[in-house]
Amino acid sequence: AQSVTQLGSHVSVSEGALVLLRCNYSSSVPPYLFWYVQYPNQGLQLLLKYTTGATLVKGINGFEAEFKKSETSFHLTKPSAHMSDAAEYFCAVMGDIGSSNTGKLIFGQGTTLQVKP
Amino acid sequence: DTEVTQTPKHLVMGMTNKKSLKCEQHMGHRAMYWYKQKAKKPPELMFVYSYEKLSINESVPSRFSPECPNSSLLNLHLHALQPEDSALYLCASSQDPGTANYGYTFGSGTRLTVV
Repeated sequence: AQSVTQLGSHVSVSEGALVLLRCNYSSSVPPYLFWYVQYPNQGLQLLLKYTTGATLVKGINGFEAEFKKSETSFHLTKPSAHMSDAAEYFCAVMGDIGSSNTGKLIFGQGTTLQVKP
Repeated sequence: DTEVTQTPKHLVMGMTNKKSLKCEQHMGHRAMYWYKQKAKKPPELMFVYSYEKLSINESVPSRFSPECPNSSLLNLHLHALQPEDSALYLCASSQDPGTANYGYTFGSGTRLTVV
């Protein structure tokens, strides 16, 4: 069955430091992968997505992620954290077409990013 | 218009009340979704509408009743809810339910409190 694992439910960084949020997935076919951000009392906002093509994907707010098939990973990075980056981050994979998860987004458990001044 | 609009933003209801949540999008998306999200947890899928027809019901209790009057509008009717149903209810849409590789666009949610 497809799944998404986010390593670290809570990550704390200093302002200006590198942000690294880890995501590993399982999928039987080339996956469609997504990172969403959720600010308090808000909905989910798409940060970036990988569908096909270039494995390094750039998103909004200076975030990027690299799809590594051999490692089944899709880690999210940002070179320099800003206070406004503090939020909940969800990695997700689209359910395989033809499976019981067709058309469903499968989410990881989320990672809370804290940015310290 | 690239948004999914949800109303109301906050709702407090008693266990005997009947209320409805509303979701609207004008992006021409043909799939719409209802999710329930508890604090510090990922969203849980409740219902999927594909081309205005209910295609997925994730074994949701009948006190939640979805409705899709047209391709732009999605409602969630609530009746006889329990306190444990208190949560953030999120609506989302996607361009094509068959090849949803574009991802979903989420609304900002309705914060529901059942008293």
